[in-house]
Amino acid sequence: TQLLEQSPQFLSIQEGENLTVYCNSSSVFSSLQWYRQEPGEGPVLLVTVVTGGEVKKLKRLTFQFGDARKDSSLHITAAQPGDTGLYLCAGYNAGNMLTFGGGTRLMVKP
Amino acid sequence: DTGVSQDPRHKITKRGQNVTFRCDPISEHNRLYWYRQTLGQGPEFLTYFQNEAQLEKSRLLSDRFSAERPKGSFSTLEIQRTEQGDSAMYLCASSLVGSRREEQFFGPGTRLTVL
Repeated sequence: TQLLEQSPQFLSIQEGENLTVYCNSSSVFSSLQWYRQEPGEGPVLLVTVVTGGEVKKLKRLTFQFGDARKDSSLHITAAQPGDTGLYLCAGYNAGNMLTFGGGTRLMVKP
Repeated sequence: DTGVSQDPRHKITKRGQNVTFRCDPISEHNRLYWYRQTLGQGPEFLTYFQNEAQLEKSRLLSDRFSAERPKGSFSTLEIQRTEQGDSAMYLCASSLVGSRREEQFFGPGTRLTVL
């Protein structure tokens, strides 16, 4: 059982559409990170959220950390084919282990 | 390029052989992590070092696996008597302990295929 549950697992959309990916847990996290991973490569850090309720924007990507620091979301506006990849959330709860969700595989068709 | 590097990028081996992977972290980072990722899943923690000390090991790390970081810089991960179930992407990450967010930065991974 994943400590962090991501939904949806798969998402296939057309270029220009908006989407939201969710990362949920019953545990509290001191911080939560979002990564994007392309096939055959390591995950690349997109953002870290630390404060409950925090919202961060990275161009067309908006990240939100839940008030209780148990959940997070990633919203992409006007998705482009270059956004295609595996999106992973990961968090520290207790100790120094980073726990990952199962990932959301996004495909954006031109 | 001052990011995390891993070598080799790909390794194909026969069942029963031993393999060793290397990770070079970002130079000023004192923590180094190993993860394993199977197809369609998120990475799973294996072990981590702070400087040269191995501080935590996952239950996933069977006695066929051993990791070292002898001088607190690069690290090696060895798998003895490989099994087909060991086929996966092995990822290394590094971080700077004491930084507020302790963000981990990943290398490109070593993809292991056991035939």
